[in-house]
Amino acid sequence: GQNIDQPTEMTATEGAIVQINCTYQTSGFNGLFWYQQHAGEAPTFLSYNVLDGLEEKGRFSSFLSRSKGYSYLLLKELQMKDSASYLCAVLDSNYQLIWGAGTKLIIKP
Amino acid sequence: DVKVTQSSRYLVKRTGEKVFLECVQDMDHENMFWYRQDPGLGLRLIYFSYDVKMKEKGDIPEGYSVSREKKERFSLILESASTNQTSMYLCASSPLAELNTEAFFGQGTRLTVV
Repeated sequence: GQNIDQPTEMTATEGAIVQINCTYQTSGFNGLFWYQQHAGEAPTFLSYNVLDGLEEKGRFSSFLSRSKGYSYLLLKELQMKDSASYLCAVLDSNYQLIWGAGTKLIIKP
Repeated sequence: DVKVTQSSRYLVKRTGEKVFLECVQDMDHENMFWYRQDPGLGLRLIYFSYDVKMKEKGDIPEGYSVSREKKERFSLILESASTNQTSMYLCASSPLAELNTEAFFGQGTRLTVV
């Protein structure tokens, strides 16, 4: 079966750095997405990786290793507004999105 | 500014009622999706559509149906609502899948069935 694993919850301190991991087992791979979802709101797109390596976008970076079935989202200089759930999703060989359950990130002052 | 609009943010319905959830997108996207989101579970795909009048079952279609009469509108129908359909429902749209671009989500409808 297809599976995406992420930690359920993480806690970090304002101003610090946090890494949210995602491992996947899917039938084929056409890319990996990270979305941010604030409580009660719609998910919004953060990043897309299809090749191995690190993609940097401001305070957020996303890394992919296809051979290991692994990705992480790195958030730097954490702000209180970064408190949200972070969803990992993989586009499989049929171009269907397979979603992880999401990681709830709690930022403390 | 791209937009996916769901008709209601909150709904309360009685068991056995027929429920319609409407979704409209203004981006001329081919693909539209209905998901439900429950605590501790990932987004689960109910139905999707890649063209007008076309529909495909997702992972959990039982108890649901859909309608896509126009490109911009995708409706989710609960034929006879049950308490286990209490959930957050998210509509999304995206261009052709092969373009590998992101999906855009509506604000969600929190449905409570009593």
